[in-house]
Formats: sequence, structure tokens, C-alpha cells
Amino acid sequence: AQRVTQPEKLLSVFKGAPVELKCNYSYSGSPELFWYVQYSRQRLQLLLRHISRESIKGFTADLNKGETSFHLKKPFAQEEDSAMYYCALSGDFGNEKLTFGTGTRLTIIP
Amino acid sequence: DTEVTQTPKHLVMGMTNKKSLKCEQHMGHRAMYWYKQKAKKPPELMFVYSYEKLSINESVPSRFSPECPNSSLLNLHLHALQPEDSALYLCASSLRLAASGRSYEQYFGPGTRLTVT
Repeated sequence: AQRVTQPEKLLSVFKGAPVELKCNYSYSGSPELFWYVQYSRQRLQLLLRHISRESIKGFTADLNKGETSFHLKKPFAQEEDSAMYYCALSGDFGNEKLTFGTGTRLTIIP
Repeated sequence: DTEVTQTPKHLVMGMTNKKSLKCEQHMGHRAMYWYKQKAKKPPELMFVYSYEKLSINESVPSRFSPECPNSSLLNLHLHALQPEDSALYLCASSLRLAASGRSYEQYFGPGTRLTVT
């Protein structure tokens, strides 16, 4: 079974402060991890994935297999970062099911 | 066209009605998905189609009947629904299903908000 845990339902951060959204997962094989974001009145969209190792909109996330974590980080929060963030996991080849965490609503305080 | 579109945006139906949700994409994607999202909950996978064939059914009740008539179109036929089926129904597509140890980005539609009375 695959499971994704996001311990914080709500997170408020001041503009300019660092942001960290936590994500832990449970999966016996080699998972692929994603962060999806949903801005107000917009559709769910991919923010980044661990295999690309990119920085998107200043966000980065590193897969830590020892701690089974995939935390999302940004050094300096911006107001436009306010949104709902979902961590998601896809299993090994042949297991295409995308399992989402419960989500963290991030609010940036001006 | 780089979007997934869904119609209708909103749907109210009675428990004896038959209705359909429609999803369309013209990105050449060969995998399409239906998700159900209840308020303040994450999306939950219902069905996956690959090359117009049903690949995954997550034990969804038979009152939900998916159909993929061609590579661009995905339908979800609804019949005899219950009030607890009220939710946001999301469609998504990806280039194809996972291959060579990697999966492909899923592109989501805006959803159909369904209310069953």
C-alpha cells in the first residue's frame, strides 16, 4: 500500500520568511514523488517532481529515502505562493496510481 | 490546445436521474483519469484509461460508468447516485501511463461540481 502524509493542514508564514511544507511517504518499492499546487480559482497543476531536480518558482524538494520524506522548501516566501499544496506519490512501473496527501494550505502574511 | 476541458461546470441531479460528465483533451495524451474530490479532501483516483482501454478501476460502485470513445474524449456516466456522491469530479490526462520506471505529468481539468439531491 502507498500512503502520503502531510502533517500540517494550515501553515502561515510572513512574506520574506523561509517556507517548508512537510511530506512523508510510505511505499515498499521505488516511488516517484511530486508536489502539486492549486492556486485560488485555478486548476490543480504540477509544481515539481523529484526526478527532475528542478527549482520551480523558487521551490525545491529533495527526496530523502532514509527518512522517507519529500519536503518542499523556499528560502523567501512571496504573497503569490499562497495556495493549497499537495504532495503525491506514484509507485513503480506498472503502478500508475497517483496517491495524494491531505494537503497543506499555505498563507503568506504580507 | 494545451488544456483539459470538462463539461458541465456544475451539475445538480436527482437520485433517479441519468447524466454524463464529459472530459476532452487535444494534447495527444493516451492516458486519461477520473478523480473524485470531496470538500477539504485530496483527489481520489476512480478510473484510469490507457489507449482507450480501462486500465484501473479503484473499486468504484457500478452507478459510475466510465467510457472512452476515442483518444481525446472521456465520459463518466452517472445513474442512481446517492447524496454522498456529491463532490468535485476531476479529469486528468498524461502522455501515457508509466513506462521505463517513470511516470508522466498529469494535467488536470477544472472539474465538474456535482450535487445529488
